[in-house]
Amino acid sequence: SAVISQKPSRDICQRGTSLTIQCQVDSQVTMMFWYRQQPGQSLTLIATANQGSEATYESGFVIDKFPISRPNLTFSTLTVSNMSPEDSSIYLCSVELLPGYGYTFGSGTRLTVV
Amino acid sequence: GIQVEQSPPDLILQEGANSTLRCNFSDSVNNLQWFHQNPWGQLINLFYIPSGTKQNGRLSATTVATERYSLLYISSSQTTDSGVYFCAKNYGGSQGNLIFGKGTKLSVKP
Repeated sequence: SAVISQKPSRDICQRGTSLTIQCQVDSQVTMMFWYRQQPGQSLTLIATANQGSEATYESGFVIDKFPISRPNLTFSTLTVSNMSPEDSSIYLCSVELLPGYGYTFGSGTRLTVV
Repeated sequence: GIQVEQSPPDLILQEGANSTLRCNFSDSVNNLQWFHQNPWGQLINLFYIPSGTKQNGRLSATTVATERYSLLYISSSQTTDSGVYFCAKNYGGSQGNLIFGKGTKLSVKP
């Protein structure tokens, strides 16, 4: 089965800095999704990334804070900018590998901002 | 908006016991999935089940789309089953993202 690789798996960052998270899929996919999971909470969609167009952000998330790149059909990055402790979360990417088989998630990036 | 509600929020089991987790949703379903998030945060896809029943080892799931609920059965639970179980459905149409319930936190004691 296809694999989603996400890195880094975890990081501890200073407030005010930025972190870029990478998501690599070993097959071509049209849409890639980025989610955030705050401590003890469920997953919330940040944005949808389509290759060749700007990402579509959900309510409460803005491009300046969470810029996304999607340079090709197998790769995407999410940057968490100007971080504060409130950004401490698990960030996950997701794709639909095959129609009718549901969505698969990367292993997640556990971010702690100090 | 679309709602996904899970019950119970927390569940403690003795190893070997059986359990049933429930997921109610407010809209029609064309993608219903169950996930297990292990203590390390990894989200594992258990079932893609918009309707009907599926089984995988000690786990099985049933979705009754007409009544807008899904059930996840765990039999002969093991300590490795501990973690959070999420159900999620998508908006459908051109929106492919998933909406997650708040999860059921399962603790299996030896």
